[in-house]
This record gives sequence, C-alpha cells and structure tokens, in this order.
Amino acid sequence: AQKITQTQPGMFVQEKEAVTLDCTYDTSDPSYGLFWYKQPSSGEMIFLIYQGSYDQQNATEGRYSLNFQKARKSANLVISASQLGDSAMYFCAMREAYRDDKIIFGKGTRLHILP
Amino acid sequence: SAVISQKPSRDICQRGTSLTIQCQVDSQVTMMFWYRQQPGQSLTLIATANQGSEATYESGFVIDKFPISRPNLTFSTLTVSNMSPEDSSIYLCSVEEPGQGYEQYFGPGTRLTVT
Repeated sequence: AQKITQTQPGMFVQEKEAVTLDCTYDTSDPSYGLFWYKQPSSGEMIFLIYQGSYDQQNATEGRYSLNFQKARKSANLVISASQLGDSAMYFCAMREAYRDDKIIFGKGTRLHILP
Repeated sequence: SAVISQKPSRDICQRGTSLTIQCQVDSQVTMMFWYRQQPGQSLTLIATANQGSEATYESGFVIDKFPISRPNLTFSTLTVSNMSPEDSSIYLCSVEEPGQGYEQYFGPGTRLTVT
C-alpha cells in the first residue's frame, strides 16, 4: 500500500486564486512528520513546510499553509494568492520515527498557474 | 539552511561507462542522502551516507552499482557504474538539518542521460 497518496496528477489554477493540493498518508506510528516540497522545471527540490504529528496548530510559512487533519490522515497544502512562479511539481512526504530518518515521497502533483 | 552544490549539473554518458557525482555542503552535517528521480517519477532513496561508516543501501540498490564515499562531514560522492539507458535520471543529494522536523535540503541535482 502506498504510504503517501497524491490523487491530483495535474491542476490548472488561475493566477491570484488559492490552491489546495491534496495529500493523504498511511502510518501506524504515532510520531511522524509531514513535509511539502516544490520542484520547478530546473529540477531543484525546495522545502516548503513541515507539520509534526503532535503539533496542535496547522503549520504556516508565508503564502503556504498545511491543512492537517489527523483523524483523516490528511495533510493538504494550501497556497494563497497563487503566482505564475508557483507553477511546479509539488511533492508531499512523510517521515516516521521508526524508519531511521528516511523520508518517503508521494508521486507529486503538477501545478500550472494560468495568467 | 545549508548550501549544497553538486557536480556535474548534467552529463551525457555512453552505455557501459561510469560517472561520479560530487556533493559538497558548506557546513558539517551528519546525515547525507542520495536519491534517484527517474523521468516523470517521484524521488527514490538510494542510500544514506554517514561519515566514517559504509553507506546503507535501500532495497533494490547495491554497492557494486552505486558505490558511495563519505570522506568527511561536508562531502560525498555517488558513482553510477556500468551505466545503461535505464540509469537516465536526476540524481540528488540531500542533507538533514536539525530543524523542527529534521527536514532535508537538496542539492540542485545532476541530470544524467545514458545513450
């Protein structure tokens, strides 16, 4: 079974609109962390945001926020006021405490921002 | 966050040859990781490289094919040996930083094409 599921292979969004990228995860470990990375066409992986399983509040970093719904095992990324430069591949990832510091990545969602 | 560089940034190699990819970090780090990203795919962890010990390889990756060196806390190399077209991928190194979630920061990647 997949540990990280991103159900949207591609999305098209109008500039300045908010975007929600879906991510669900599967773990039985009570201690885990969730990450989102952005990969532009240049290929570099850019860390965006982190959410810990014990964090009470949703993580926020500038225009990025993570909608963490623990009971649903959901960790959606919300990008407010999208910009053309947000066009990229976005990966959800998870680290489980028992997996020796390894991070598992989802298959990604390609986001296209339309002018 | 740490600044990570990789050399070469891209290369085109012939089947049967080997290529060594270098990863340099501007600060001392304990954990370094090597990933492969095949075209249109997500990231797959090849191995974890700790200074002073042998790399730990993930299932499906072997030392003979992907030998790794980690001579000090700021440098590592990954060699792709006896290459075939299936090895055409982006190879990324990453380092773990002791932030909130021990997030990983990535180098710019090496785009390898095997003909």
